[in-house]
Amino acid sequence: DSGVTQTPKHLITATGQRVTLRCSPRSGDLSVYWYQQSLDQGLQFLIQYYNGEERAKGNILERFSAQQFPDLHSELNLSSLELGDSALYFCASSVNAGSTDTQYFGPGTRLTVL
Amino acid sequence: QKEVEQDPGPLSVPEGAIVSLNCTYSNSAFQYFMWYRQYSRKGPELLMYTYSSGNKEDGRFTAQVDKSSKYISLFIRDSQPSDSATYLCAMSATGSSNTGKLIFGQGTTLQVKP
Repeated sequence: DSGVTQTPKHLITATGQRVTLRCSPRSGDLSVYWYQQSLDQGLQFLIQYYNGEERAKGNILERFSAQQFPDLHSELNLSSLELGDSALYFCASSVNAGSTDTQYFGPGTRLTVL
Repeated sequence: QKEVEQDPGPLSVPEGAIVSLNCTYSNSAFQYFMWYRQYSRKGPELLMYTYSSGNKEDGRFTAQVDKSSKYISLFIRDSQPSDSATYLCAMSATGSSNTGKLIFGQGTTLQVKP
């Protein structure tokens, strides 16, 4: 158990809908990362927050947005869902924001868009 | 062309074999190199972490980085059935932005047969 929690574990929804994925980092970690894992694209970095502020952005679609709250938990919002958004979404956390900080991954949320 | 290339396998070996997993990359800015292990339907967990070129050993695992060839390897000695998993290489670059953005390979699926 990494100490990172994600809810829900599974999510099934329809095209065009909007969903929210939630992540609680390990106690004491200030950085939260979101990754998307699909069969064809592998594990891809979406976005990083550090202590409530956006720190880095990857190939995150405009339909997707995220935020980190004062209690350091984070939410990833996915809207106007398409079939291709079906994937595993992982949250990771680390103590600080840099490349040398070990990232601990949560168990993931499996999103299925029908 | 992807920044990080990794043969997805699958790779099947008998118990006790030495396993070699490899990644190549194209971005010279990568300075930090990691290997993650991911069991089916779980989040990735950090196995090994190296900075710049050289070797690092941890028990049955050895990580090698050859920056001149842009090539990294993970060796597993005396492989066990419990090593059956997907192994992902990951890399990050230093920079003034000081982010933890990781670029992952596609992952290699390893099966160790008893």
